[in-house]
Amino acid sequence: AQSVTQPDIHITVSEGASLELRCNYSYGATPYLFWYVQSPGQGLQLLLKYFSGDTLVQGIKGFEAEFKRSQSSFNLRKPSVHWSDAAEYFCAVAALKLSFGAGTTVTVRA
Amino acid sequence: GAVVSQHPSWVICKSGTSVKIECRSLDFQATTMFWYRQFPKQSLMLMATSNEGSKATYEQGVEKDKFLINHASLTLSTLTVTSAHPEDSSFYICSARGPTGGVAKNIQYFGAGTRLSVL
Repeated sequence: AQSVTQPDIHITVSEGASLELRCNYSYGATPYLFWYVQSPGQGLQLLLKYFSGDTLVQGIKGFEAEFKRSQSSFNLRKPSVHWSDAAEYFCAVAALKLSFGAGTTVTVRA
Repeated sequence: GAVVSQHPSWVICKSGTSVKIECRSLDFQATTMFWYRQFPKQSLMLMATSNEGSKATYEQGVEKDKFLINHASLTLSTLTVTSAHPEDSSFYICSARGPTGGVAKNIQYFGAGTRLSVL
């Protein structure tokens, strides 16, 4: 069975600082991996995805993620956070269905 | 491309009434759509998978008669919460699997969600 773990429930970061959100997955084969962002009261927006190929993937809004098969991880990073990046971030793995992690809330302080 | 529209964004209804939520794929045909429920500060819980022209597949524990799903066309799926009660109050989100023929078929595109409040 597939599953996703996001170890960090809440992260606070200063504006302009770097951000890394952790994601570990469990899946028997090569997974399809996603990061989505959700602003309060909104749906989910796709930040980036990994299907195959280059393990470092670039997404929208300056985000990137690195797939590490040996660690079963797909961590999300951004070099310099903006106040508008404050939101809920979900990592997801897709097989027959899309399974989400519990989410990480990002707070950006001035 | 790959825009999903969900309507209404917020609905308030009296206990015992039914509420219909629409999910439309605006610029592509979606043979498969999904309905999720999200409680405050929690992740998304898949309720059902909706396939165009066939019956929806419900997840374990989701009442089929309470949450009626219809996917009558390639661009529209509806969720009807029947005889709604306060415990049905939640945030409901739909998604559509991307158009076939490319990698997008493996991506789900989400609507903006519907907040249901049952009084």
